[in-house]
Amino acid sequence: NAGVTQTPKFRVLKTGQSMTLLCAQDMNHEYMYWYRQDPGMGLRLIHYSVGEGTTAKGEVPDGYNVSRLKKQNFLLGLESAAPSQTSVYFCASTPRLGLFNEQFFGPGTRLTVL
Amino acid sequence: AQTVTQSQPEMSVQEAETVTLSCTYDTSENNYYLFWYKQPPSRQMILVIRQEAYKQQNATENRFSVNFQKAAKSFSLKISDSQLGDTAMYFCALGSPGNQFYFGTGTSLTVIP
Repeated sequence: NAGVTQTPKFRVLKTGQSMTLLCAQDMNHEYMYWYRQDPGMGLRLIHYSVGEGTTAKGEVPDGYNVSRLKKQNFLLGLESAAPSQTSVYFCASTPRLGLFNEQFFGPGTRLTVL
Repeated sequence: AQTVTQSQPEMSVQEAETVTLSCTYDTSENNYYLFWYKQPPSRQMILVIRQEAYKQQNATENRFSVNFQKAAKSFSLKISDSQLGDTAMYFCALGSPGNQFYFGTGTSLTVIP
């Protein structure tokens, strides 16, 4: 099993450009999440999904959109990138609802917006 | 609201010594779980240890153990016999019903040879 994978690993954008980050998991997990990690701020939840075809906003959703068309994939889109979106982005997944579920993380994507 | 606080941004420890990382949290839930994740320079988040809130016994995983004080809402991580490979950022996390997770701001641990 590959676990949780993220594409790409690094990206540099210019202000105003758009891009999509892809997260894929092969563990048949129901829940998927997108976080951003900034120095001194830990991980902050952007959007999450509780199943195929569903999405919900997290703590910092502005400027991002997501889609979960297939159970194994969770896409994070930036329609018009801004320097404030320079960050490391992590995708994570957990099995179906239940106590004591740990999160499985992807390797992260470092995004720089100039 | 659920919050997780790590008040030690940076810590260091001599190799083979013991170090304790602090974490406090706040939640109104009765059932929840707590985690410590390790993030080495590779950026990969690795689960170190987890604790179910309804279990009074502190969790232990080899050199890693926790001191879970439910009434005080405290969840500290003790690393014994510190090794160079323990150098990493450590995040405390709270998992609540509904699979929502809340992270602290992290503690950067350096193990000194």
